[in-house]
Amino acid sequence: SQKIEQNSEALNIQEGKTATLTCNYTNYSPAYLQWYRQDPGRGPVFLLLIRENEKEKRKERLKVTFDTTLKQSLFHITASQPADSATYLCALEGGMDTGRRALTFGSGTRLQVQP
Amino acid sequence: DTGVSQDPRHKITKRGQNVTFRCDPISEHNRLYWYRQTLGQGPEFLTYFQNEAQLEKSRLLSDRFSAERPKGSFSTLEIQRTEQGDSAMYLCASSPKGQGHPEQYFGPGTRLTVT
Repeated sequence: SQKIEQNSEALNIQEGKTATLTCNYTNYSPAYLQWYRQDPGRGPVFLLLIRENEKEKRKERLKVTFDTTLKQSLFHITASQPADSATYLCALEGGMDTGRRALTFGSGTRLQVQP
Repeated sequence: DTGVSQDPRHKITKRGQNVTFRCDPISEHNRLYWYRQTLGQGPEFLTYFQNEAQLEKSRLLSDRFSAERPKGSFSTLEIQRTEQGDSAMYLCASSPKGQGHPEQYFGPGTRLTVT
């Protein structure tokens, strides 16, 4: 069955360091992969999208890589700040239970940046 | 336009009652999605509309759940005969028309508690 896996344990890092979050998937052949940020009690916020023919995408302090052979995406936040503390969700379009357009999300990784 | 809005933000109901939630998408977006999220999990797809047509529905969705988007603008999600297992955050999202915009914009969610 199709599955998206993110590290369920919280990631704790010091301010100024680079945070790296992992998203692994199985039994998908996605055209693209998306990353969202979610703060407690709020809806997810779209951050970045990377397509299958792109190896890397950057936006300000964010960088995403996409390896379709390994079926893995890495999400990096450089020069992290306490305000980056949130849960980060990886999402793929489509799935056996969702159909073509809807997103299937991983369970998210909580990032805590210590000042 | 300030984004996707949802109403109410919180709903407490007794088991067996019916509840209805409303979502107003970003005005120029023709695609609308409903998701459900429980604690520690990513959002789970429920259903998807393109304009007023309900094009996709999760195979996991109980027939107690129904959604409408009568004029292709706002949408409602109704849960009949609520059960305690329906307690969750219900999220609405919208996305623009066109193949080049798969990212989704989420509302703040409606938190449902079934007692």
